[in-house]
Amino acid sequence: EIVLTQSPGTLSLSPGERATLSCRASQNIISNFLAWYQQKPGQAPRLLIYGASSRATGIPDRFSGSGSGTDFTLTISRLEPEDFAVYYCQQYGNSPWTFGQGTKVEIK
Amino acid sequence: EVQLVQSGAEVKKPGESLRISCKGSGYSFTNYWIAWVRQMPGKGLEWMGIIYPADSDTRYSPSFQGQVTISADKSISTAYLQWSNLKASDTAMYYCVRGWSGSYSYFDYWGQGTLVTVSS
Repeated sequence: EIVLTQSPGTLSLSPGERATLSCRASQNIISNFLAWYQQKPGQAPRLLIYGASSRATGIPDRFSGSGSGTDFTLTISRLEPEDFAVYYCQQYGNSPWTFGQGTKVEIK
Repeated sequence: EVQLVQSGAEVKKPGESLRISCKGSGYSFTNYWIAWVRQMPGKGLEWMGIIYPADSDTRYSPSFQGQVTISADKSISTAYLQWSNLKASDTAMYYCVRGWSGSYSYFDYWGQGTLVTVSS
């Protein structure tokens, strides 16, 4: 089973700042089959990024994904008030598909 | 508009059985897979298993194999997650999600979640 480790656990930033979230895999993720999700309190998660760098439908271009192999990054170029949430990465290249433990982006 | 609408919250006792549902609409239900994802209170996300409603091909995460049963009724565009012997540790929010493949799948649409509480 591939273990995904997200860092940092919590990121304290102000609106307008840049957020950089990391997701590291215990093994190589084939074909960059890595997705990112956003979850706000009391809501279901929402797909942001798939294939490591492709934005899902309707996702603003301030969200971008990068990386390959075992190291992946989600970048939010300028934080908007609605971006403060928990973010999860998911690998879907090897079964069982697994999620990271999450990074909380909170208002500083 | 693609929608996955789940059944309502449940409160059960240990040892009881339960089936929760997920109805898809706004897309061809038999052209996509439906998976289930667990989120225990205050915790992260865990993939449980996935089904292809067109032929009921089902795959389970090893952690959930034998613990739950996933099924689907394509005639009413509905997928199910069921337990035969609930435990307190099954207390969680359960999401149904749409997937693209039984081998490699991210999840592009999520249901609103069904909260299952198991307590004596």
